[in-house]
Amino acid sequence: ETGVTQTPRHLVMGMTNKKSLKCEQHLGHNAMYWYKQSAKKPLELMFVYSLEERVENNSVPSRFSPECPNSSHLFLHLHTLQPEDSALYLCASSQAVGGGPGETQYFGPGTRLLVL
Amino acid sequence: AQSVTQPDIHITVSEGASLELRCNYSYGATPYLFWYVQSPGQGLQLLLKYFSGDTLVQGIKGFEAEFKRSQSSFNLRKPSVHWSDAAEYFCAVGAVGSQGNLIFGKGTKLSVKP
Repeated sequence: ETGVTQTPRHLVMGMTNKKSLKCEQHLGHNAMYWYKQSAKKPLELMFVYSLEERVENNSVPSRFSPECPNSSHLFLHLHTLQPEDSALYLCASSQAVGGGPGETQYFGPGTRLLVL
Repeated sequence: AQSVTQPDIHITVSEGASLELRCNYSYGATPYLFWYVQSPGQGLQLLLKYFSGDTLVQGIKGFEAEFKRSQSSFNLRKPSVHWSDAAEYFCAVGAVGSQGNLIFGKGTKLSVKP
């Protein structure tokens, strides 16, 4: 596999369910990101990890819990979500965080999440 | 406040016609700029980026963009549009020290008429 992969591609869950989104990057990068893309709204950065340490958390509700066990994998654990959390969740990776060309982000195909 | 504006929500052009998608930014620091494209149901694909140097940058698929600091703009252009270019285009801006926090515009949807 090349680039950034995400699984599952589609997910339907009830508000009481617990599920996890998985992201894997095959680019040898050290930074990974979670974004939320809702209709009619700009992309929202949720979390940034650099060398498995969280460096950015943009006031995301605690029902979203990220995990970065190594620089190639990133998870987003979901629990007791609300219908307004339905969106496309995009993962990205970059060589580094901190500015410069190394911060160019490469995106996965996304997970389309529907919360009922 | 930092922001990116893509004034055109939806643009329709004929196949073979030229294209210009507008992007204006407001950013306190020296910016670096990106254009991404998203096909339906897909993630974002990087078209091109500007960090420094030549203000006219070439990207993939025949796209180019010009950074104009005086106008705070980074418009995307293509001389001849193909039907496969129909997609949504996003401009994004970041800066040194932003910790990966890119600011994205709301996107411009491009439709191509045969």
